[in-house]
Amino acid sequence: SQQGEEDPQALSIQEGENATMNCSYKTSINNLQWYRQNSGRGLVHLILIRSNEREKHSGRLRVTLDTSKKSSSLLITASRAADTASYFCATDAPGTASKLTFGTGTRLQVTL
Amino acid sequence: GAGVSQSPRYKVAKRGQDVALRCDPISGHVSLFWYQQALGQGPEFLTYFQNEAQLDKSGLPSDRFFAERPEGSVSTLKIQRTQQEDSAVYLCASSFVTSGGKNEQFFGPGTRLTVL
Repeated sequence: SQQGEEDPQALSIQEGENATMNCSYKTSINNLQWYRQNSGRGLVHLILIRSNEREKHSGRLRVTLDTSKKSSSLLITASRAADTASYFCATDAPGTASKLTFGTGTRLQVTL
Repeated sequence: GAGVSQSPRYKVAKRGQDVALRCDPISGHVSLFWYQQALGQGPEFLTYFQNEAQLDKSGLPSDRFFAERPEGSVSTLKIQRTQQEDSAVYLCASSFVTSGGKNEQFFGPGTRLTVL
């Protein structure tokens, strides 16, 4: 079963705008990760944030984590057409041997 | 070196046929995972290997699903007597670390299975 939900399910923005997507999860976690999936292709790891971290940056990506609310957000700044993809959050929980539990995904469309 | 590779990329099977899906992980990666991704959904965990040992198979949906990694490298996911509900993309991922570490998993392109 899916760990949680992502919000929004779909997002359409223009190139240059920022995109924010949110992820909620259900159980305690070790790490939370964000992955990108282009149509018909595999998942690409974007960023990992540990449960004791609150914010992390990588290039145009900013991730926040609020363990009290069991939620995370991914911000993509200055979006590009190449950012068009589905974005998934994934968590691994203590005692689960690092298997990932994915959210339902946000489909991002960046138009020129 | 090369990333995770999977073969075949596409497989069409008639209901009732057996299929075998192959995964070549990144060399030296200890952990290997199989996930199933239905259309429009996030991937769901199937099974996990640490070297040749299958440590978790709790996600396998039925006893028709079987996975192996006999030499701790290449893995095969076998589905017997395929059913239409088995149609999905099957993703393989590998990771250098075992539990407790920074668990970045590297995914292959997947095998899209269509059962007619």
